[in-house]
Amino acid sequence: DAGITQSPRHKVTETGTPVTLRCHQTENHRYMYWYRQDPGHGLRLIHYSYGVKDTDKGEVSDGYSVSRSKTEDFLLTLESATSSQTSVYFCAISVGSNSPLHFGNGTRLTVT
Amino acid sequence: DAKTTQPNSMESNEEEPVHLPCNHSTISGTDYIHWYRQLPSQGPEYVIHGLTSNVNNRMASLAIAEDRKSSTLILHRATLRDAAVYYCIPHGGATNKLIFGTGTLLAVQP
Repeated sequence: DAGITQSPRHKVTETGTPVTLRCHQTENHRYMYWYRQDPGHGLRLIHYSYGVKDTDKGEVSDGYSVSRSKTEDFLLTLESATSSQTSVYFCAISVGSNSPLHFGNGTRLTVT
Repeated sequence: DAKTTQPNSMESNEEEPVHLPCNHSTISGTDYIHWYRQLPSQGPEYVIHGLTSNVNNRMASLAIAEDRKSSTLILHRATLRDAAVYYCIPHGGATNKLIFGTGTLLAVQP
């Protein structure tokens, strides 16, 4: 899968707890993205990064923060998880403008 | 980003060609047309993309209308493995942040 590793693959957590999902790439691609996917909504962009320490919001960024201190790692943090954040989270990477996105295998997060 | 219209679902028979349509009448002149697909329980997978000319690769062909307001993804011989949701995404811009719609669910019958 184009050198992308998402961890953990599955997580169950309680409402109100902080959660961090990690996306690690070995491709040295500049751009990284976090999407969530829910039944009936398709894929929605949460945040993306266009370089180390350079990030911006996507369509559904409320309740999420991100950090990118190294090219290879893009972290997604839920400061205080809510049940509405139960979803499958996908990380993607891209070389840049009009280049294909390559997706990881996803993290299934359940907030109880 | 341009609005897209795709059929909710389509059916095909194995080993027959499949033509998946997409309307993107508000596409801007610099937007590329990207196609991705998502197999069950997997992340999306890049299929093909193009700007004006028709494009071919090992997975599929992309036919783009002359006015660029529509495009068609062509799978030349559908296999059971091609059963997936297919997304058409017109997009341009340096950040490459693709906005996915709901796509077309393709069912392939043996």
